[in-house]
Amino acid sequence: QSALTQPPSASGSPGQSVTISCTGTSSDVGGYNYVSWYQQHPGRAPKLMIYEVSKRPSGVPDRFSGSKSGNTASLTVSGLQAEDEADYYCSSYAGSNTYVFGTGTKVTVL
Amino acid sequence: EVQLVQSGAEVKKPGESLKISCKGSGYSFTSYWIGWVRQMPGKGLEWMGTIYPSDSDIRYSPSFQGQVTISADKSISTAYLQWSSLKASDSAIYYCVRRPTGGYFDYWGQGSLVTVSS
Repeated sequence: QSALTQPPSASGSPGQSVTISCTGTSSDVGGYNYVSWYQQHPGRAPKLMIYEVSKRPSGVPDRFSGSKSGNTASLTVSGLQAEDEADYYCSSYAGSNTYVFGTGTKVTVL
Repeated sequence: EVQLVQSGAEVKKPGESLKISCKGSGYSFTSYWIGWVRQMPGKGLEWMGTIYPSDSDIRYSPSFQGQVTISADKSISTAYLQWSSLKASDSAIYYCVRRPTGGYFDYWGQGSLVTVSS
């Protein structure tokens, strides 16, 4: 079970959009529509932002959206705001009730 | 309100044992899987395993199988993560998470910092 691959960093100016990729295999990302995304600010517990590829929990701004194509999932943050600066992790179901996280991406708002 | 409240920070020596806890409230504890996630200093998230408190069905990540033990006491709505012999490399923050049907983690505990040092 290898970690899903994310770019180490991404950045954008306020109001712009940033997209983070999450690449796995047909045994995890590509095999199930159970990709989720988490936001983590320094010193805080992670927070669920997207589940089941593209669904947003109550309270998460609609600036956050998710998608998937083949073995790669993506998180897009539109209309970047200062408070969006954080680490983002993807996760996927990997079969047999097991899960795997991505390597994490640090988003910087310039 | 759903809450997962974890036990406090621990400082241990290599070779010692440890059991940390996660108490769920505000929902039916036996209706959701509870998982554990490790975050080593300055590093990413790693899924360790999950338990279904209703029947104690447990699944471990291959990376953590045999290294830790996950358990739960449904009578007090509490899940546990334990080590029999700690190593310095076990130093990390450990989060408990609730996992509903659908393969995601919707609620997170506040984290338990474990420091293992001689």
